[in-house]
Amino acid sequence: DQQVKQNSPSLSVQEGRISILNCDYTNSMFDYFLWYKKYPAEGPTFLISISSIKDKNEDGRFTVFLNKSAKHLSLHIVPSQPGDSAVYFCAASAISGANSKLTFGKGITLSVRP
Amino acid sequence: DGGITQSPKYLFRKEGQNVTLSCEQNLNHDAMYWYRQDPGQGLRLIYYSQIVNDFQKGDIAEGYSVSREKKESFPLTVTSAQKNPTAFYLCASTDRGRRVWGYTFGSGTRLTVV
Repeated sequence: DQQVKQNSPSLSVQEGRISILNCDYTNSMFDYFLWYKKYPAEGPTFLISISSIKDKNEDGRFTVFLNKSAKHLSLHIVPSQPGDSAVYFCAASAISGANSKLTFGKGITLSVRP
Repeated sequence: DGGITQSPKYLFRKEGQNVTLSCEQNLNHDAMYWYRQDPGQGLRLIYYSQIVNDFQKGDIAEGYSVSREKKESFPLTVTSAQKNPTAFYLCASTDRGRRVWGYTFGSGTRLTVV
């Protein structure tokens, strides 16, 4: 039973355009969400996060939107750059849980074409 | 510089052998985690430890064992009972006081069974 779903395995966009990466979750106890970026043969690096008390968080070219009623979040990258090409993982946690740990989606491979 | 170090980067194991993957952190983080990454599977939790001398099974603990004798170290042993050990293994740590805010990953170990 996958609690964090990234249903699209890959996305290809033109440099300079917007990249929209989607993530859905099923566990209503999740109240903290993160996006990680991963290059091949490296560990994931933290990108941006959002708590359930917000519906938007912005950091430079990266914006995460949260729709709690739909249990859906999305990462927008504007403008997309070739260096953004990587695997992006959505992760969630019930931050108030005694043993909170991250649950990850399967990841989306983003390719930004020059 | 504070960080989390995994060694070795590449590891080859013969069938039937146990191998131990090292994970060391100097971030003074309480909690440590082991994840496994397979193509198309995302990151799956193997074991985690919230505090020294205590650890819990994750979603795919069968065939693995861990120990947490020191705060800074969380080695993972892949035993001969693990049916399909070839994968990319990631160690992570976090400050339990800040929950998932400080989730830091190592650079990973690629294990191949030959």
